[in-house]
Amino acid sequence: AIQLTQSPSSLSAPVGDRVTITCRASQGIRITLAWYQQKPGKAPKLLIYDASSLESGVPSRFSGSGSGTDFTLTISSLQPEDFATYYCQQFNSYPYTFGQGTKLEIK
Amino acid sequence: EVQLVQSGAEVKKPGESLEISCQGSAYSFTSYFIAWVRQMPGKGLEWVGIIYPADSNTRYSPSFQGQVTISADKSRNTAYLRWNSLTASDTAMYYCARQYNFDTGSFGYWGQGTLVTVSS
Repeated sequence: AIQLTQSPSSLSAPVGDRVTITCRASQGIRITLAWYQQKPGKAPKLLIYDASSLESGVPSRFSGSGSGTDFTLTISSLQPEDFATYYCQQFNSYPYTFGQGTKLEIK
Repeated sequence: EVQLVQSGAEVKKPGESLEISCQGSAYSFTSYFIAWVRQMPGKGLEWVGIIYPADSNTRYSPSFQGQVTISADKSRNTAYLRWNSLTASDTAMYYCARQYNFDTGSFGYWGQGTLVTVSS
């Protein structure tokens, strides 16, 4: 199975900061990667699909990039509602897998 | 509006069987993959498996193969996740999720989750 490793596992940043989360795949997955946001007690929410396509309704401060094995999720200017846990997920091959998550906290 | 509505929380004893459900609405149920995702308390997301309701073709994560069964009933627009013999380690929130569109394996629609608690 393809392993996804996110870094950092946790991150503390103030409102207004630019934040980058990385996701590294154990083998090349082209652009078959998605990013999700999850808040406590809620289902995950799709932010980015196909590595860089912004899901409808997601604020433009979120962006994704990368292909092959290295991917990034960037939040250009953190807002209070962005504090949550973020997961990457590959759909290049079965079994689909998730990264271990990055918890983003307020500084 | 596309919706996935899951069945309610369950409390079961070890060794018991259980089937939870996920009903889709406002879209062609047979045209999109549905996946199941586990989240153990305080932990991350784990991909359980996936089904294509049109032909019930199913794939499982090796971690869950043989431990659960995924099925779908086209007439009810409903997908299921079933255990024949629960253990305490099955205690978790389970989400169903629908493929975002035909061209991607990302999941753009999620159910509200079903909390399964297994305790003697």
